[in-house]
Amino acid sequence: DVKVTQSSRYLVKRTGEKVFLECVQDMDHENMFWYRQDPGLGLRLIYFSYDVKMKEKGDIPEGYSVSREKKERFSLILESASTNQTSMYLCASRMAGQQNSPLHFGNGTRLTVT
Amino acid sequence: QQQVKQSPQSLIVQKGGIPIINCAYENTAFDYFPWYQQFPGKGPALLIAIRPDVSEKKEGRFTISFNKSAKQFSLHIMDSQPGDSATYFCAAAGYGGSQGNLIFGKGTKLSVKP
Repeated sequence: DVKVTQSSRYLVKRTGEKVFLECVQDMDHENMFWYRQDPGLGLRLIYFSYDVKMKEKGDIPEGYSVSREKKERFSLILESASTNQTSMYLCASRMAGQQNSPLHFGNGTRLTVT
Repeated sequence: QQQVKQSPQSLIVQKGGIPIINCAYENTAFDYFPWYQQFPGKGPALLIAIRPDVSEKKEGRFTISFNKSAKQFSLHIMDSQPGDSATYFCAAAGYGGSQGNLIFGKGTKLSVKP
């Protein structure tokens, strides 16, 4: 079974802090994703990466950046956290080369910015 | 044109009932329509998926009905159980939009009462 592990289940940060959310997958998947989940808004794509050192903006990239130095690890960075970034963040991975292979999600990091 | 509209936002049924969740899309380039199921405290997981060359797909108690001309698809849960209580997301993908990435509906929170 694919395992996608997000390093923190809950995180509380102050406005203006730099925040790192870490995600590791153990199935050698090429593609990795960061989503944000908010009530009534569903899952919105922040950034994705097709392979190491590659990154693409999703639908809501403003205020975020990402890093993919190793294939198994995909980090989401909030350069200067703001209260409107309080949310549930979900990481996912997917095998490449197979059309519409399923997304495998981690259990999420609930971030609160005060 | 990139949206996937999902309804209802929430749904309460009695055990044994048949909840139906509906989704609609506009982009005719979409060619893959999965449903994801999310239990509290967990990430979403692929439940069932359909392609537009068939009108229905069943897996156990879960059925997707697909109407290509109306650009609508729906999830039916037969003989629903309290263990089916979860949030359900429809999604769509295709090479015509969003670089082939999934576009999710806003989710439906289903409660199945004993």
